[in-house]
Amino acid sequence: DTGVSQDPRHKITKRGQNVTFRCDPISEHNRLYWYRQTLGQGPEFLTYFQNEAQLEKSRLLSDRFSAERPKGSFSTLEIQRTEQGDSAMYLCASSPRTSGRGEETQYFGPGTRLLVL
Amino acid sequence: AQSVSQHNHHVILSEAASLELGCNYSYGGTVNLFWYVQYPGQHLQLLLKYFSGDPLVKGIKGFEAEFIKSKFSFNLRKPSVQWSDTAEYFCAVNRDSSASKIIFGSGTRLSIRP
Repeated sequence: DTGVSQDPRHKITKRGQNVTFRCDPISEHNRLYWYRQTLGQGPEFLTYFQNEAQLEKSRLLSDRFSAERPKGSFSTLEIQRTEQGDSAMYLCASSPRTSGRGEETQYFGPGTRLLVL
Repeated sequence: AQSVSQHNHHVILSEAASLELGCNYSYGGTVNLFWYVQYPGQHLQLLLKYFSGDPLVKGIKGFEAEFIKSKFSFNLRKPSVQWSDTAEYFCAVNRDSSASKIIFGSGTRLSIRP
């Protein structure tokens, strides 16, 4: 399968613990996005990378959240001192380089479902 | 700020019925428009997209959508639904720029009675 992969698929943690999620984009996709989806809502943008550069962060991304994409390939999203409100599905998407207008299509992974007890 | 409104939260139809899911967005500039679908237990998949050109776009599985710029709308249609169309449908928009986050609507859950 050459789609976007995410690991783990499920994570249960206790409040106050740190968690880290990994996303492997489609090969040669230079853009990588993180979104968060809560029950009954559409995904909400968190941050995105072009190659290894983090170019935009949402105000949803508090200081407890950090994302990296050190070599421009896979990315990690870390949440420190988790809170119950962090419980959600964390989605990763990637898109290929486009020429001209921004006619990019984002391809989504299966997500990591986080439950904070 | 950009926003996307999906007015129907849950739609229930019988097989072979026609479908139209409403989507309106608020953004004054040039946008790209998408419909994504999430089947039960599966991840988000692209159903169709509009970047430019013919405002009537056709997607997979017999779905189509029409971009009406004057109404800021991008409604999804299918003439005859099947039980396998049971899923959550998300309308989405992003700015027509070099790279841009997608703004999603809250989704419409479609249930098809066999």
